[in-house]
Amino acid sequence: ETGVTQSPTHLIKTRGQQVTLRCSSQSGHNTVSWYQQALGQGPQFIFQYYREEENGRGNFPPRFSGLQFPNYSSELNVNALELDDSALYLCASSLDSTRHSPLHFGNGTRLTVT
Amino acid sequence: KQEVTQIPAALSVPEGENLVLNCSFTDSAIYNLQWFRQDPGKGLTSLLLIQSSQREQTSGRLNASLDKSSGRSTLYIAASQPGDSATYLCAVINQAGTALIFGKGTTLSVSS
Repeated sequence: ETGVTQSPTHLIKTRGQQVTLRCSSQSGHNTVSWYQQALGQGPQFIFQYYREEENGRGNFPPRFSGLQFPNYSSELNVNALELDDSALYLCASSLDSTRHSPLHFGNGTRLTVT
Repeated sequence: KQEVTQIPAALSVPEGENLVLNCSFTDSAIYNLQWFRQDPGKGLTSLLLIQSSQREQTSGRLNASLDKSSGRSTLYIAASQPGDSATYLCAVINQAGTALIFGKGTTLSVSS
């Protein structure tokens, strides 16, 4: 059973640039969620995709957007990067609703914005 | 608005000790509560998930309890080992059932 994989593992970008982060969900999982974790903080929910549709969004501006593909892999796109976007970005997959199924997290992408 | 608090923020114990990590949440209308472990610079590993109808879950040396009415959960670790050193996070499901709301975690250090 393949777990959740994220790429790249590390990334350095300049303020104002755009970035795309990728996630392959665990085999059989149809729900993908993205979280942002700043240093010393708990993860903050960005959004969730279920069968290619966004079905929940946290308190993040529209420059954070995402996609889920038919194979349930996912992308997180961030436009007009700001210094405060520097964080660990975590992808998690689950089988159906988060209410009943545990989330399985990848190792994250460490984004640094300079 | 749901808020999750974890106490203590950091904990150091000698190997072999039993210990308890605490988690509290402000809104008792939760669907489930999940405990995670995070090693430095890594993702989260799910340890235990307690459904709102359950009172506790056990996995090996770990036992998690849930008291919805008081808005509390505890993670009990028996016979701690240096390999248990990590940050432990608890999280509850939001009202919409789509997102986990996390505490800031408790960083545990077990010395040999």
